[in-house]
Order: sequence, then C-alpha cells, then structure tokens
Amino acid sequence: EPEVTQTPSHQVTQMGQEVILRCVPISNHLYFYWYRQILGQKVEFLVSFYNNEISEKSEIFDDQFSVERPDGSNFTLKIRSTKLEDSAMYFCASRRGTTSTDTQYFGPGTRLTVL
Amino acid sequence: AQTVTQSQPEMSVQEAETVTLSCTYDTSESDYYLFWYKQPPSRQMILVIRQEAYKQQNATENRFSVNFQKAAKSFSLKISDSQLGDAAMYFCAYRSNRKGSSNTGKLIFGQGTTLQVKP
Repeated sequence: EPEVTQTPSHQVTQMGQEVILRCVPISNHLYFYWYRQILGQKVEFLVSFYNNEISEKSEIFDDQFSVERPDGSNFTLKIRSTKLEDSAMYFCASRRGTTSTDTQYFGPGTRLTVL
Repeated sequence: AQTVTQSQPEMSVQEAETVTLSCTYDTSESDYYLFWYKQPPSRQMILVIRQEAYKQQNATENRFSVNFQKAAKSFSLKISDSQLGDAAMYFCAYRSNRKGSSNTGKLIFGQGTTLQVKP
C-alpha cells in the first residue's frame, strides 16, 4: 500500500541554523500538509499546499517557514533560523483531493531537536 | 474557529474489555467530517474511523464504533474487545466540508488520549 515517507527521522540542529525536512507524499495525491506536535501537546496545522502554492497557513507559519515542491515528488518544509521552541515532531500528510470523503495520510514524522 | 477537545489525557482498559474515548468539538458549520486517528508508539498516525456530519447513522469499523451526537457536538470512540495492539494515542479530528477553494481540508486535532491496554 502506498505511504507517505519522511526524512530524516530525527534531526538535531543548533539554534539559528536552517533545516529542511523532507517528505514524499503518495504519488497521485494533490493536497499536501505539514503539521507539528510539540511534546505532550496537540497536533497543530502549519500549512497546506495545492497546485504549487500555499493554500492556507496558520499563525505558527511565519516568515521563518517555507514550503516547496521542487520536483513533483518531494515536499519540503524549511525553517530558516531555528529557535528552541521549534523543537517538535513534524508530520507531513497528503490527500488525493478528488472527492470530499478522501482521507489524509500521514508520514511517520521527523523529530526536530533544536539545541 | 473550530475547536476539538479531548478531556481524558489517559485511559486504561483490560484486554478484551470495552473502552470509550470522549471528544467534543465546537463549530458553527453544519457540514463537516470527524475522525479518530490512532498514533502507535512508532508515531505514524493511522485513520481509525470517519463520520460524516450529515449522516445520522454512527460509523463502525470492526471493533471500533462511534457515538455521534451532532446537537451535543460530541463524538466518542468505543473500542470493543480491546487488544494489546490497540495501545496508542488516539486523536479526534475535525475537517470542514464547506464548499469553495477556501476549504483546504486541514484537520483540527484534539489534545489526544493515551490508551493503555492491560493484559
């Protein structure tokens, strides 16, 4: 069964450094999402992406964040200058989008640790 | 704005018994979906069950069923004949079904309930 994959599984970085989290959504899916989960807290929506542009972003998704689908298969989340509070689990998700009942499929997540 | 609340941070159940996880939500919309996702220790979220708000009949998937009370904005998950593999964090989630390009299909999650299954 097709699945969403994410790399790396764990990323450790120093505060102020740039990180890129990578996702490969399911191949025939059209809608892509990033969510994050700070340890012990709820899963929060960051951004949705459709037709090669951001369709919605949350208040969390400030100028330090960007997303890109550079080659038609990968979907990346970049954090330009990481802060301690960016430490979280980041989940990518994709949805086919052809019907209103379709399901969002999640990747296994990338644990980001900012030191 | 829509919100989802899970008031039980942790629950436990004896193997083979039944457990109910609670979820309430707030919305002014009439057309939406509700979901229960399971997040095992491996951390990949898996869809357990889905309910469409305009359907009065409660959804069921094998040992999993929901009690959807639209007027009360309540959406609980019942797990029957609990198995050790059911141990996980369970998230309740809401998705709008309003028409138009402004609906991006994002999910709004509750805080999660950690379910422990005792042998």
